[in-house]
Amino acid sequence: SQKIEQNSEALNIQEGKTATLTCNYTNYSPAYLQWYRQDPGRGPVFLLLIRENEKEKRKERLKVTFDTTLKQSLFHITASQPADSATYLCALVGAKFYFGSGTKLNVKP
Amino acid sequence: GAVVSQHPSWVICKSGTSVKIECRSLDFQATTMFWYRQFPKQSLMLMATSNEGSKATYEQGVEKDKFLINHASLTLSTLTVTSAHPEDSSFYICSAPSSGRPASYEQYFGPGTRLTVT
Repeated sequence: SQKIEQNSEALNIQEGKTATLTCNYTNYSPAYLQWYRQDPGRGPVFLLLIRENEKEKRKERLKVTFDTTLKQSLFHITASQPADSATYLCALVGAKFYFGSGTKLNVKP
Repeated sequence: GAVVSQHPSWVICKSGTSVKIECRSLDFQATTMFWYRQFPKQSLMLMATSNEGSKATYEQGVEKDKFLINHASLTLSTLTVTSAHPEDSSFYICSAPSSGRPASYEQYFGPGTRLTVT
């Protein structure tokens, strides 16, 4: 079965720095990969979608890369702010959605 | 953007009772909705796919007689946890793809329902 790995340890960075989160997967070839933000006690909110034939996608301070050979996606937040502190989930999308367990990002002022 | 609501936002019930959770798409129609459960610090686990006008599709290991799903209209899906037990305590979240878009596009998630079974 498919396996999705996100760093379970929280990522602590200083305000203004670039945060990089990793999503690795095995046993699956998704047509799309998506990133969501989830705040405590809330449902996830969609951030970015990247297709299997796309290498990189940008939206404001966010950038996502998708390497289907390495089976890895990287999610970058540039000029991070304390308001960016949340848990970030990656999701593999084919016929269904499969979510990673998420990485908690803490941006310190 | 599209809005999905859930009701209630939290519920406490006694063991053996049933609880109904509603998921509504407020400004778009959803022929398909998805139900997830999430344990603390864990991933969202897809429980079932709710289809308007037909039976829900359940994921492997999910008891369809325990988690009853009804997609009554294009804007409403309900999940009923029957004969709830403490191990059913969890965070239940629904989602729907935006109207007219395939399921592979972004999902709009509800705010979730925290169920505690005592």
